[in-house]
Amino acid sequence: EIVMTQSPATLSVSPGERATLSCRASQSVDSSVAWYQQKPGQAPRLLISGASTRATGIPARFSGSGSGTEFTLTISSLQSEDMAVYFCQQYNNWPPMYTFGQGTKLEIK
Amino acid sequence: EVQLVQSGTEVKKPGDSLKISCKGSGYSFKSYWIGWLRQKPGKGLEWMGIIYPGDSDTRYSPSLQGQVTISADKSISTTYLQWTSVKSSDTAIYYCAKQPEGTNRGDFDYWGQGTLVTVSS
Repeated sequence: EIVMTQSPATLSVSPGERATLSCRASQSVDSSVAWYQQKPGQAPRLLISGASTRATGIPARFSGSGSGTEFTLTISSLQSEDMAVYFCQQYNNWPPMYTFGQGTKLEIK
Repeated sequence: EVQLVQSGTEVKKPGDSLKISCKGSGYSFKSYWIGWLRQKPGKGLEWMGIIYPGDSDTRYSPSLQGQVTISADKSISTTYLQWTSVKSSDTAIYYCAKQPEGTNRGDFDYWGQGTLVTVSS
């Protein structure tokens, strides 16, 4: 099983500042990584797929990068509505054995 | 508009059987893989399995194989997740989620609202 490890567990950032969230895979997953945002009481929302492609309707302040084992989600100018938990997911296998990171909680300072 | 609408909250006792559902609309239900995922209280996401409603090809997480059954009825655009005997450790929110079109697309672009399952004696 590929283990996805996210860091930090909690991140506190002031509005307007940049937030950088990290995700590391235990083995190479090429670019088969997605990022999701989950707000309290809501289902996750897809932000990024293929490591760097924004999903439909996602603001340009969200960007993803990386390949292989190291991935980053960057929020360029944090808004108050970005307070949420962010999960990474790898999907680089068939038959599928998709795995998620444990999440990074993003707090607004 | 793509929508996935899940069945409502369930409260069960250990050993009960259970079947929850997810109805898709706004897209060709039979043509896209759809998955089930769970989130235990205060925890992260766990992928359980996926099904292709067109031919009912189903793939399970090895850790959950035999514990649950995923099925689909393409005639009514609905997928199901069922247990023959629930345990307290099955207490969680269960989500269905659709995969996008294309090869090597194991991400999930649309999600149901979640079904809370509580198992307690």
